[in-house]
Amino acid sequence: DTAVSQTPKYLVTQMGNDKSIKCEQNLGHDTMYWYKQDSKKFLKIMFSYNNKELIINETVPNRFSPKSPDKAHLNLHINSLELGDSAVYFCASSLPGGGNGAFFGQGTRLTVV
Amino acid sequence: LAKTTQPISMDSYEGQEVNITCSHNNIATNDYITWYQQFPSQGPRFIIQGYKTKVTNEVASLFIPADRKSSTLSLPRVSLSDTAVYYCLVGDDGYNKLIFGAGTRLAVHP
Repeated sequence: DTAVSQTPKYLVTQMGNDKSIKCEQNLGHDTMYWYKQDSKKFLKIMFSYNNKELIINETVPNRFSPKSPDKAHLNLHINSLELGDSAVYFCASSLPGGGNGAFFGQGTRLTVV
Repeated sequence: LAKTTQPISMDSYEGQEVNITCSHNNIATNDYITWYQQFPSQGPRFIIQGYKTKVTNEVASLFIPADRKSSTLSLPRVSLSDTAVYYCLVGDDGYNKLIFGAGTRLAVHP
């Protein structure tokens, strides 16, 4: 069983569209994250949730709205997509504080055309 | 959160031991040191975590001197499959952000 799974793996869409990326973890972790890795390969945290509550929002445009229906899921919805949103988005989960490491999903490659 | 500095890239050959050093001069008392590995088109993978002295697991060893201002990830007898980017992270046990730096791109050659 995949510990952290994201869908879809690839997403190609036009500017202005709204899209969602889903993430689920079966590890029983309380904390989940969304990261963005751009073309220069820098991994930047976007959001962190603990027990369905938003803990960290790293100055991400409000076009990005995470939603956590339960502590096993953290979905990312993006409105009015822009070319600069093209990147690989990674979901991750960990014990609170990231102790003993975080588990990452396989990533969603978003391409906005 | 303490900032980390690592070499941008390293080259090695199969069978050699590779040591990647990370500087974290401003590490706080409560901070742990964690290393991740990332292959192309995959998410980062946790390798090892430590607080002081030496930690060893089936994949790597982590050496942390007494002042904790640096740490060294040691990969014994690397193979081609160890070619990846290695990230050093420093953070405490609070709601840390897992701040990733630029990482070290390790290339293992035949």
